[in-house]
Amino acid sequence: EAQVTQNPRYLITVTGKKLTVTCSQNMNHEYMSWYRQDPGLGLRQIYYSMNVEVTDKGDVPEGYKVSRKEKRNFPLILESPSPNQTSLYFCASSSQDTYEQYFGPGTRLTVT
Amino acid sequence: ELKVEQNPLFLSMQEGKNYTIYCNYSTTSDRLYWYRQDPGKSLESLFVLLSNGAVKQEGRLMASLDTKARLSTLHITAAVHDLSATYFCAVGSMHGATNKLIFGTGTLLAVQP
Repeated sequence: EAQVTQNPRYLITVTGKKLTVTCSQNMNHEYMSWYRQDPGLGLRQIYYSMNVEVTDKGDVPEGYKVSRKEKRNFPLILESPSPNQTSLYFCASSSQDTYEQYFGPGTRLTVT
Repeated sequence: ELKVEQNPLFLSMQEGKNYTIYCNYSTTSDRLYWYRQDPGKSLESLFVLLSNGAVKQEGRLMASLDTKARLSTLHITAAVHDLSATYFCAVGSMHGATNKLIFGTGTLLAVQP
């Protein structure tokens, strides 16, 4: 089954404690992105990757890092989380041929 | 800068009625997406519109795209309770090859029995 998976699905952590949210897709897609969703703001792109070892900032990259060492994986790293990073996070992947974007199930992060 | 505006933000309607959600965007784009999101769930792709005049229909939902007016509509026909959800439009950015999506703020649809 074609899918995008994220782990963990729920996470409560404290300010400053480094964390990683994993994202994996099994569709051999070139493009992968991270979005955060906040009430009244819709979804905003954090980082994206066009292929292995190619990443760039989206609209709200501050406080986040990413890496793309393998085509299927695109982890999101918060080196020193802060309460304003409390949000719902989605990973997405897409093919360069069809533009169809597939979203993961989401990770709800709370930083206290 | 590409901006996407949806209206209305909230829509309460009775079963059996018709209504339209509007999505305006500010600069040229080559693709327009509609997604559905149920509470606490991920985004479900409804339609991808790739050309001017494109019209797609699935069940009680029909989406159209007018690239000259920079407007897409999502029309709901004879609404049923199961259509209650938040609907997002998103516009594909033509900046480089990023495949970036700019989302509207969403329309919360509540269909009352």
